[in-house]
Amino acid sequence: DADVTQTPRNRITKTGKRIMLECSQTKGHDRMYWYRQDPGLGLRLIYYSFDVKDINKGEISDGYSVSRQAQAKFSLSLESAIPNQTALYFCATSDQTGGYNEQFFGPGTRLTVL
Amino acid sequence: GEDVEQSLFREGDSSVINCTYTDSSSTYLYWYKQEPGAGLQLLTYIFSNMDMKQDQRLTVLLNKKDKHLSLRIADTQTGDSAIYFCAESIPGFQKLVFGTGTRLLVSP
Repeated sequence: DADVTQTPRNRITKTGKRIMLECSQTKGHDRMYWYRQDPGLGLRLIYYSFDVKDINKGEISDGYSVSRQAQAKFSLSLESAIPNQTALYFCATSDQTGGYNEQFFGPGTRLTVL
Repeated sequence: GEDVEQSLFREGDSSVINCTYTDSSSTYLYWYKQEPGAGLQLLTYIFSNMDMKQDQRLTVLLNKKDKHLSLRIADTQTGDSAIYFCAESIPGFQKLVFGTGTRLLVSP
């Protein structure tokens, strides 16, 4: 089984709808991240969490919220989806030791907002 | 937005992918590989006090003065076709900063 799973894998929704993307991990890592990938822009960090009680905004958090329900679960919500939130979304985990920060990625969720 | 930068190589050649990172104090520099329909996977990394690291077919070169990172793949195979991202660990930020990615295309 995959260490980092994301559901759903694909989602098409309409402008104004509320959407939740879920991420689960079995790696036992404390740190979890949400990124979005857009062509030509690489990966941009939306939110990150270093433990269950810790939530931090990334570089593009506007229009998004997150919930860290447990060490293993980190969900991303779009309260009112808009077309420019159409993107590929990735969840990642890490267990940082010193400055080394290898991140383990889920397979991604392709979100289309019409 | 625009698609990622692309580089085309023939199978068996040595391919090179380049990246300019942002922060001269970054401690670790990484190369991640993204195959079609999949998430990113760590390919290799280099600590900032090194100039070069070799890992089987992969050679990483680091030029700290120019903040330039490169990845050389020897005997490139069609299975190496993917998008490659450089990333850096910036001290005090405790998270990775990713580059925009380069799509490597390998023709038979």
